[in-house]
Amino acid sequence: AQKVTQAQTEISVVEKEDVTLDCVYETRDTTYYLFWYKQPPSGELVFLIRRNSFDEQNEISGRYSWNFQKSTSSFNFTITASQVVDSAVYFCALSEDWNDYKLSFGAGTTVTVRA
Amino acid sequence: DSGVTQTPKHLITATGQRVTLRCSPRSGDLSVYWYQQSLDQGLQFLIQYYNGEERAKGNILERFSAQQFPDLHSELNLSSLELGDSALYFCASSVEGLAGFTDTQYFGPGTRLTVL
Repeated sequence: AQKVTQAQTEISVVEKEDVTLDCVYETRDTTYYLFWYKQPPSGELVFLIRRNSFDEQNEISGRYSWNFQKSTSSFNFTITASQVVDSAVYFCALSEDWNDYKLSFGAGTTVTVRA
Repeated sequence: DSGVTQTPKHLITATGQRVTLRCSPRSGDLSVYWYQQSLDQGLQFLIQYYNGEERAKGNILERFSAQQFPDLHSELNLSSLELGDSALYFCASSVEGLAGFTDTQYFGPGTRLTVL
């Protein structure tokens, strides 16, 4: 069963528009961690943000913000005032319980920002 | 730059061959993870090592093996290669990765393996 679902396959926006990426996860654990990674065209995976299951406080970091809601098992990510350099594939990932170190990734959402 | 290095960047080989992928973790990181990214399977966890010992195993084929050396670098060995093994192989590292604590994993640039 898919643990992390990113329903949006591709999103295309014009520069300066906001982009919100959806992520829905599935877990039976009370302790878990959620991550967002970015994969630009060059191919590397870049860590963006991390959240643990006990901290539902939503934050803003520069042009990035995230909305973590345990009630709906969602961990959405927003890029404000998008730029061409934001064009990449964005992955949501889940790390469950204290004996499981692996990251379970969603399928990714391709974001294209047009000038 | 995450601080994790992987060599080689690209590897082209033939079916039936054996290759070795190398990873050096960030300075101070004790855990190394290997992931495979393919078009049909997406990003999948293969195996984790912590301070030289195997810690967790994922969807790793029996033809694949890994190890972590005393200097903490890791190698992923892929043998009897098949066309379907063509993929991007990532190494990641974290400070610990012990039970009760989940570190952030920082990824290397990946090795793109093409099996012809």
